[in-house]
Amino acid sequence: DQQVKQNSPSLSVQEGRISILNCDYTNSMFDYFLWYKKYPAEGPTFLISISSIKDKNEDGRFTVFLNKSAKHLSLHIVPSQPGDSAVYFCAASNTNAGKSTFGDGTTLTVKP
Amino acid sequence: NAGVMQNPRHLVRRRGQEARLRCSPMKGHSHVYWYRQLPEEGLKFMVYLQKENIIDESGMPKERFSAEFPKEGPSILRIQQVVRGDSAAYFCASSPFTGGEKLFFGSGTQLSVL
Repeated sequence: DQQVKQNSPSLSVQEGRISILNCDYTNSMFDYFLWYKKYPAEGPTFLISISSIKDKNEDGRFTVFLNKSAKHLSLHIVPSQPGDSAVYFCAASNTNAGKSTFGDGTTLTVKP
Repeated sequence: NAGVMQNPRHLVRRRGQEARLRCSPMKGHSHVYWYRQLPEEGLKFMVYLQKENIIDESGMPKERFSAEFPKEGPSILRIQQVVRGDSAAYFCASSPFTGGEKLFFGSGTQLSVL
């Protein structure tokens, strides 16, 4: 029973264009959502997060949107840069539970 | 300010041997999490510990796996009598708070079982 799903294993975009990564969740108890970025042979690094009381959070080129009724969130990267090429993990948690549940990741390739 | 330190980076074991993976959290962090990433899969939660306490071990296999986070020293993930299916990347993460906040990950230990 996968509670956090990233249905696109990979995404390829042209440099300068927008990258949109999607994530769906099933557990209505989740109230905090995070995106992590991972390069090969390294651990994931935190990118951006959003609380369930908000529907949008922006940090520079990165924006996360949350649609609670659809149990869906997305990460927008604009403009995309070749250095953004990495695996992106969506994660969800309940602020009373501690642990985060991760999706399987989406490999983003930004072509120069 | 050192990040989360994991060692070894690579560990090779033969079937039936024991594997010990170590994790030193960031300074000031008292919450440690272990995740496992099997080939072509995502990060799967294993266990959440605070100093001297296991808070949530719902992701730990029932046998052969154990974890500890002593008062002094690093957190240890121990796998007894390893099998080929244990081959994976094991990541440790730490945080200063409980409550689903962002995690700081180490670079992982790649365990290969021959």
